[in-house]
Amino acid sequence: QVRLKESGPRLVQPSQTLSVTCTVSGFSVTSYHVSWVRQPPGKGLEWVGAIWKGGSTDYNSALKSRLSISRDTSKNQVFLKMNSLQTDDTGTYYCAKHGRAGGFDYWGQGVMVTVSS
Amino acid sequence: EIVLTQSPTTMAASPGEKVTLTCRASSSVSYMHWYQQRSGTSPKLWIYETSKLASGVPNRFSGSGSGTSYSLTINSMETEDAATYYCQQGSSYPPTFGGGTKLELK
Repeated sequence: QVRLKESGPRLVQPSQTLSVTCTVSGFSVTSYHVSWVRQPPGKGLEWVGAIWKGGSTDYNSALKSRLSISRDTSKNQVFLKMNSLQTDDTGTYYCAKHGRAGGFDYWGQGVMVTVSS
Repeated sequence: EIVLTQSPTTMAASPGEKVTLTCRASSSVSYMHWYQQRSGTSPKLWIYETSKLASGVPNRFSGSGSGTSYSLTINSMETEDAATYYCQQGSSYPPTFGGGTKLELK
């Protein structure tokens, strides 16, 4: 069955880099697009960026200068790197598989990241 | 970027009551998707392509709409339906989400 699981640090210092891994099973990252979505505490959902099944990437324009999304197809993993973190980057980071018509049909459990010194 | 505006922001409904949540897009979109998120859990795809129920979603839920106006309806509110619901469009890049409607049990 389809599963996505995020892993990464829970606490990151301001100005440092966040690195989160999404390990997927039940599908191949070369067959389906995968996006990252984040959610500040008590707030709504924000699309962060995507890696398309062909390997190209797209990013939220507001975050583009700080973001990098990549993958390891041999391990079926997708990686999110965001640098120069600030306190308003605090939140839960989810990876999600793309379904039909641009929706997200499967989500990981998320990793809660706190940016604090 | 297409902005999605959900209304109401918060509402409460009694068991058995009919509930309608709306989502308005700043420009026309081809489809709307809806997600249910219960407290402390990840979002779940609930309705996709405007009106198709995701696997396991009770048939008291329905979705409709076109162009810039979409809605999610619960025919008869049940306890387990209390959650936050988000709309999302993926037909225009970048994908965007509405701010959510928190549905509480009265």
